[in-house]
Order: sequence, then structure tokens, then C-alpha cells
Amino acid sequence: NAGVTQTPKFRILKIGQSMTLQCAQDMNHNYMYWYRQDPGMGLKLIYYSVGAGITDKGEVPNGYNVSRSTTEDFPLRLELAAPSQTSVYFCASSLTVMNTEAFFGQGTRLTVV
Amino acid sequence: QKEVEQDPGPLSVPEGAIVSLNCTYSNSAFQYFMWYRQYSRKGPELLMYTYSSGNKEDGRFTAQVDKSSKYISLFIRDSQPSDSATYLCAMSSILTGGGNKLTFGTGTQLKVEL
Repeated sequence: NAGVTQTPKFRILKIGQSMTLQCAQDMNHNYMYWYRQDPGMGLKLIYYSVGAGITDKGEVPNGYNVSRSTTEDFPLRLELAAPSQTSVYFCASSLTVMNTEAFFGQGTRLTVV
Repeated sequence: QKEVEQDPGPLSVPEGAIVSLNCTYSNSAFQYFMWYRQYSRKGPELLMYTYSSGNKEDGRFTAQVDKSSKYISLFIRDSQPSDSATYLCAMSSILTGGGNKLTFGTGTQLKVEL
């Protein structure tokens, strides 16, 4: 039982490049979330999904896109990377709608130069 | 004004001390209150969650919620060097799309010294 797995762990992008951050969970959770964590700012919700085929924007969705074709996978796409997207990205999943026991991945540390 | 305020520390205590970590919040719609622990370069891991005002205990950890004052606390008894981490408070509220959003504090960095 791996929990929530994120790949890659680290990445350096040049301005204008694109990439996909992968997130997979093996707990059959319906609810999945993408957060970014910036120093002194706390975690901010980017996008979330309540089940396969259903996604919605969070607080800071600009510059990102998501898809959810299966229960297990919730990739985050960065188009036209900008220095403001330098951050640590966390994927999380939860079994219940109350989100009281969210499981987080280990994070992807992204630098845009 | 941030919805959730948390003193970033750092907080340094000797081994065995009682640690008190606190958050205040302004949004009355928050329903559940959580504490996460985050080790350096790792993802947050859930310590405890509570729903109502009052205390909840789990081993050396006690979570306290005072909804009338919009104030939550986490107490760590007999603190150990392995407790050295950043502690994040988080509060959940309903999302329009059907999920539940967690609003996090900025985290308090704790160091427990031998």
C-alpha cells in the first residue's frame, strides 16, 4: 500500500516550458487535491476532484490544468511555466467529503528559471 | 487579514517540555480542525482532527478547540527530539464543487533540544 505517490520529486524548468506533475493513489479515494506550498504562505489549493471525470478550480488555478480520467490518477499540467510557479507541489487524497484524514504525497519541488 | 493565523516560530524547547502551538481563525464556516506535522522536505501527515469545541487527546498530543474565541491549540507533552518538525493547523470548509477545502496556517517550526 503506497498511499499517494508523486513524480518527479524535483524538476527545473525554463520559462515557457510545460510539464505534467504526476499523482497516483492506491487507496480508492474519490477526493483528490493539488496544493502548492510557498515559504511563509501556507498551502494553497490549486485544483480538486471529487471523482473520475469531475474537477474544479481552487484558490490559485491560473497557469494550471488538471484531468481525472481514473480514480487513481490526478495529474497537474503546467503550461508556459513562469518564475511565480516556483514552489513545492503536494497532491492529497481523502476518503470522505469532510477531508478530515487527507493523505499527502511527498511533494514535487519545482524551480522555474 | 488571513483566514488562519499561526505564529511561524521558530520555537525551541528542551526535551521533556510541554509545547503549546496555537492558531486563530476568522471564518465561522470552518467545520473541522486538524493538526498536521511536516518534517523537512516531506509531505504533511495528519496528527489529529476535531469537530466540536473541547479537548481531544491522543497519546502525548491534545488538541483543543474554542469556537467562541476562534482559537485552536495543540499541546505536546513530554516533548522528544523526534517531535522537531513544522506543525500546521488546517481547517476545512465546503467547496462549491462538492469537496472540502483545507485552509492551512503558515506552520510553526518546533525544535526540541536534548
